[in-house]
Amino acid sequence: QSVLTQPPSVSAAPGQKVTISCSGTTSNIGNNYVSWYQQFPGTAPKLLIYDNNKRPSGIPDRFSGSKSGTSATLGITGLQTGDEADYYCGTWDTSLSAGVFGGGTKLTVL
Amino acid sequence: QVHLVQSGAEVTKPGASVKVSCKAAGYTFNNYGISWVRQAPGQGLEWMGWISPYNGKTKYSQNLQGRVTMTTDTSTSTGYMELRSLRIDDTAVYYCTRGGSESGYGWFDPWGQGTLVTVSS
Repeated sequence: QSVLTQPPSVSAAPGQKVTISCSGTTSNIGNNYVSWYQQFPGTAPKLLIYDNNKRPSGIPDRFSGSKSGTSATLGITGLQTGDEADYYCGTWDTSLSAGVFGGGTKLTVL
Repeated sequence: QVHLVQSGAEVTKPGASVKVSCKAAGYTFNNYGISWVRQAPGQGLEWMGWISPYNGKTKYSQNLQGRVTMTTDTSTSTGYMELRSLRIDDTAVYYCTRGGSESGYGWFDPWGQGTLVTVSS
């Protein structure tokens, strides 16, 4: 059982937009920055978004992040088949004094 | 280019210990924390802990407290994660990643390629 809650899967057609939610509490998302990671099968995760909504260099602006209260959202526009991957949100939990992740969301581009 | 290179796969028995290394390159090693994250087969990411190469301070997951030790060798820009009293459910891919801090602030980038640790009798 992950501390942060993500939908197990989402799907959308190529060219469309999808959002992935990440729900937490005031101990984690509510008072800490959120980051997002993309992971293809058999490979290491890759940073997509940090500090809630910032993109590292090299990440296309098709990827965006936002946070409101105790929830965060990853948005992907102009979906491509190459975006099919698992996506994880992460943050710090002040009560646990530990890093925490969501359970991951599998994105399917139909 | 910043990158982290981890040691190779390990197969070990219940009750034994394993030590995974993570060699950093492309940045000033002392200036960033090293965190460890593991992923059991078909499962999500689990934060294990963090270490500061600058002063050796550590934070560990309560789930692993007492079984895990993280260290660094600044002379070789290498981080180490040792897990003791291994159990079958410690079987996972173990990742090192640059990032994290004593306050918990920070993100993880980049990641090592991962080290598969298999615990089997």
